[in-house]
Amino acid sequence: KAGVTQTPRYLIKTRGQQVTLSCSPISGHRSVSWYQQTPGQGLQFLFEYFSETQRNKGNFPGRFSGRQFSNSRSEMNVSTLELGDSALYLCASSLGQGAVPLHFGNGTRLTVT
Amino acid sequence: DQQVKQNSPSLSVQEGRISILNCDYTNSMFDYFLWYKKYPAEGPTFLISISSIKDKNEDGRFTVFLNKSAKHLSLHIVPSQPGDSAVYFCAASAPGGGADGLTFGKGTHLIIQP
Repeated sequence: KAGVTQTPRYLIKTRGQQVTLSCSPISGHRSVSWYQQTPGQGLQFLFEYFSETQRNKGNFPGRFSGRQFSNSRSEMNVSTLELGDSALYLCASSLGQGAVPLHFGNGTRLTVT
Repeated sequence: DQQVKQNSPSLSVQEGRISILNCDYTNSMFDYFLWYKKYPAEGPTFLISISSIKDKNEDGRFTVFLNKSAKHLSLHIVPSQPGDSAVYFCAASAPGGGADGLTFGKGTHLIIQP
């Protein structure tokens, strides 16, 4: 069974631009969560999607948004990029809303210059 | 305010010995706890978990202990092997997943010395 797939693996963007990250969950998994990992803050919860609806959201500004498609694939968007948005963005999938454990992809490394 | 704390940023253990990684939490609503292992350039990999109704869970070389009264859990790896060198994250979940997803500690870098 294929794992969680995230694309692209690396991105370099300029301040003020926007970016879209993509995630394909494990087959059969219907919940997708997104986390931001930075050296100072560790892994922080961004949001969870289930049945194409955002179910939970972490403490991040509205510049961070996402969506989930009918095939459970998810995208995350960050608008008006700031230097502090440089991080590893991790997508995780699970069987259902709030289900554990989460299974993580290898992440997208975003660098904002 | 960190609700899940891993107070040791790094830990060095000799190959073949026991590795003990510790984690403390403050939120009494947490009822499910997980350990993840992360290699560089890879995502975290689920290792083992424990429900708050148990105080111990074993899976091969890995054992997790939960002390609810102390709000403390630990991961024991016996015997430690070179491939165990990685960053280990403790995570906690409230019932139903909670509004905040999984809450992670900042990780402990385990180094297994040959």
